[in-house]
Amino acid sequence: DAEITQSPRHKITETGRQVTLACHQTWNHNNMFWYRQDLGHGLRLIHYSYGVHDTNKGEVSDGYSVSRSNTEDLPLTLESAASSQTSVYFCASSSGSASGGEQYFGPGTRLTVT
Amino acid sequence: AQSVTQPDIHITVSEGASLELRCNYSYGATPYLFWYVQSPGQGLQLLLKYFSGDTLVQGIKGFEAEFKRSQSSFNLRKPSVHWSDAAEYFCAVGIDRDDKIIFGKGTRLHILP
Repeated sequence: DAEITQSPRHKITETGRQVTLACHQTWNHNNMFWYRQDLGHGLRLIHYSYGVHDTNKGEVSDGYSVSRSNTEDLPLTLESAASSQTSVYFCASSSGSASGGEQYFGPGTRLTVT
Repeated sequence: AQSVTQPDIHITVSEGASLELRCNYSYGATPYLFWYVQSPGQGLQLLLKYFSGDTLVQGIKGFEAEFKRSQSSFNLRKPSVHWSDAAEYFCAVGIDRDDKIIFGKGTRLHILP
């Protein structure tokens, strides 16, 4: 069955370190998205991609970057981790066809920055 | 600007009782509308979606939602809740043809035995 996976599921890192969160989907979807989820804020869009070599900034992109070198993967990098980036991160994908926006979500990565 | 409002942060209902979760959106054109559910420690799962046509939409797990354009609402309903329905529910609006979604802040549903 097609799926979307994230790794690691839990990560503790120190302030100032570079951290990369992996997202891998086997749906063969064109579109991929990264969100962060914080209490009281719901899900906020960090970055998204509509295809290989395409990346776009979302609502809360400062301090984050992504790159898309193939269809399956969209890794999220925190260039210099800050305590404000402690959060749960979700990756999602969608087909970009007539699906009307239905997104499929990964299980999430809980990141703690100390 | 597009937005989604879920006015209730927490809702508590007794098992077997009916449920309605409220959602209001702001969007200029006909929206794509979604309800997602998130169980503790899990990702989001799509319950149902509205694109066009019949304004009453049926979803998984016995949920339904009704799109009311005049009220800019897309409320989620279930006639009889089960303890396993305890979760967080997110309403969302698709804001363009490229599948971007704006989420509401969520409503956490608690079930009393």
